[in-house]
Amino acid sequence: GQNIDQPTEMTATEGAIVQINCTYQTSGFNGLFWYQQHAGEAPTFLSYNVLDGLEEKGRFSSFLSRSKGYSYLLLKELQMKDSASYLCAPVRDGQNFVFGPGTRLSVLP
Amino acid sequence: DSGVTQTPKHLITATGQRVTLRCSPRSGDLSVYWYQQSLDQGLQFLIQYYNGEERAKGNILERFSAQQFPDLHSELNLSSLELGDSALYFCASSVSAEIYNEQFFGPGTRLTVL
Repeated sequence: GQNIDQPTEMTATEGAIVQINCTYQTSGFNGLFWYQQHAGEAPTFLSYNVLDGLEEKGRFSSFLSRSKGYSYLLLKELQMKDSASYLCAPVRDGQNFVFGPGTRLSVLP
Repeated sequence: DSGVTQTPKHLITATGQRVTLRCSPRSGDLSVYWYQQSLDQGLQFLIQYYNGEERAKGNILERFSAQQFPDLHSELNLSSLELGDSALYFCASSVSAEIYNEQFFGPGTRLTVL
């Protein structure tokens, strides 16, 4: 199996910072996607990381450590509209990718 | 609105039947991806087409097939349907063949097999 691990649920407060972790098997690894999916809607692309380190995109940043098989998505200045599921998807062997189970984030006022 | 369209929005059918789902990519996008999302299996990549040719294959069953036509629209054919095929089917498009390009998802087709 792919052994992609994400926390099932997280809760945070409006205005706070939250970090959503994703661990995966490193064999054949090429890069990793993060997607956001609001309930009942289609997924939306957030990032694709290939190199180690942190990539910042507005309030959202994504970090990758290739050797550790670890990534995280960092959401700053949380807003109510950030309540959604967040899916990581490692890409391996060129074009093959599998989505993790997703982390359901609830942002409370 | 992502610019990707999918029809129909909802489809209800019986076990053993065959259905076709249709996807039109964003203008200018050459790649189309198909995904299945169910409660027990999560979001799964099925298959990718680029400019009419199959590019990558994920967890697509042998009962399922897809194609991309010269006008770049794509169809996903599901046959010998089973109850477990009930799911939301998304297509997505991107500008080129490479996996790292941003994919834009359509609104999905909800398939119910009774």
